Amino acid sequence: GAGVSQTPSNKVTEKGKYVELRCDPISGHTALYWYRQSLGQGPEFLIYFQGTGAADDSGLPNDRFFAVRPEGSVSTLKIQRTERGDSAVYLCASSLGLAEADTQYFGPGTRLTVL
Amino acid sequence: KNEVEQSPQNLTAQEGEFITINCSYSVGISALHWLQQHPGGGIVSLFMLSSGKKKHGRLIATINIQEKHSSLHITASHPRDSAVYICAATPRSNTDKLIFGTGTRLQVFP
Repeated sequence: GAGVSQTPSNKVTEKGKYVELRCDPISGHTALYWYRQSLGQGPEFLIYFQGTGAADDSGLPNDRFFAVRPEGSVSTLKIQRTERGDSAVYLCASSLGLAEADTQYFGPGTRLTVL
Repeated sequence: KNEVEQSPQNLTAQEGEFITINCSYSVGISALHWLQQHPGGGIVSLFMLSSGKKKHGRLIATINIQEKHSSLHITASHPRDSAVYICAATPRSNTDKLIFGTGTRLQVFP
């Protein structure tokens, strides 16, 4: 079946602009995660959804970052007033959400470049 | 100090060699994950374990809870095993998230 998909695969934007990154999880997965991976680093947690609600947004770096999952499936990560330091690969993952530590299935990521 | 640390950072091997990648963590965990990331960003979950040992094909993962240490072994390595291998922990204090190590870049030469 289809895995986690993310669009766009690449996004180049100018400093100060607004961007939206989309994640389509595996069908039936109630848990959805956003991570950010800077060059040469491991991914860092941003936010976790269980269903439609953000169960844990402690990883969002500041209030320019916001994510939604209105129908409990597709999620959008929104970044306002982008800064050069936001350049990274943004990874989305989903899991069944039934167990305390499910296997997470990762999407291919969106590479964001802020000029 | 990172809560999840891996060694080595970079590893090169000849085809056929036995490879070991190590992971140490400093938090109490619910589970320890080994992930594989190929160039271009795709991450694949290899193992999730909370005790003992798991094997899948040429890959073996072990964990020692008392020592807070896990290892990933690759037997009879092959050039297609070349990738970044990432260790990640689900902390017991917050099972919502994964804490990642910085990864081990493996290159296997023919």
